[in-house]
Amino acid sequence: AQSVTQPDARVTVSEGASLQLRCKYSYSATPYLFWYVQYPRQGLQLLLKYYSGDPVVQGVNSFEAEFSKSNSSFHLQKASVHWSDSAVYFCALSMFYNQGKLIFGQGTKLSIKP
Amino acid sequence: GGIITQTPKFLIGQEGQKLTLKCQQNFNHDTMYWYRQDSGKGLRLIYYSITENDLQKGDLSEGYDASREKKSSFSLTVTSAQKNEMAVFLCASSMFNSGNTLYFGEGSRLIVV
Repeated sequence: AQSVTQPDARVTVSEGASLQLRCKYSYSATPYLFWYVQYPRQGLQLLLKYYSGDPVVQGVNSFEAEFSKSNSSFHLQKASVHWSDSAVYFCALSMFYNQGKLIFGQGTKLSIKP
Repeated sequence: GGIITQTPKFLIGQEGQKLTLKCQQNFNHDTMYWYRQDSGKGLRLIYYSITENDLQKGDLSEGYDASREKKSSFSLTVTSAQKNEMAVFLCASSMFNSGNTLYFGEGSRLIVV
């Protein structure tokens, strides 16, 4: 069965430091992959998505993610975090282009130390 | 731009009660979804609808009913509320052929007393 695993439930980094949030997926074909962010008391917002082509995709607020078929991974990265990046981040997978039947990971709560 | 409005923000009911959550979107999107968010478990799909009067079951549809009365609205009913299903319910919508870009509402929290 298809699945998404975010191995880190919580991550804490200092402001200005670099960030990597990990995402591993299980799917035999090439999936469509997404990162969403959820700020406190809000719904989810799309950060970036990967369909095909260049394995490094750029998103909003200087986030980027790298797709690796060999590692079945789609890790999210940012060179320098800001306190406003504190949120919960969800990785998601879809098997189809046109159906939003996304399979979500458990989420990673990111906290930024001043 | 558009917005997804979920009502109520907090829904309090008694065990065994039938409770309904409502969702409205003004994006003119074709597809609408209901997800359940449990702490530490991510989001799980309950129902989705690709057009008016269409309903498709997700992985978590047991114990729920849904209704897509018109393109802009999608309701979710908890048929018999249980304390172990207190969670946040998220409504989302997407345009067909948009590559699964979902737009989410702010969520409705279900509290069962």
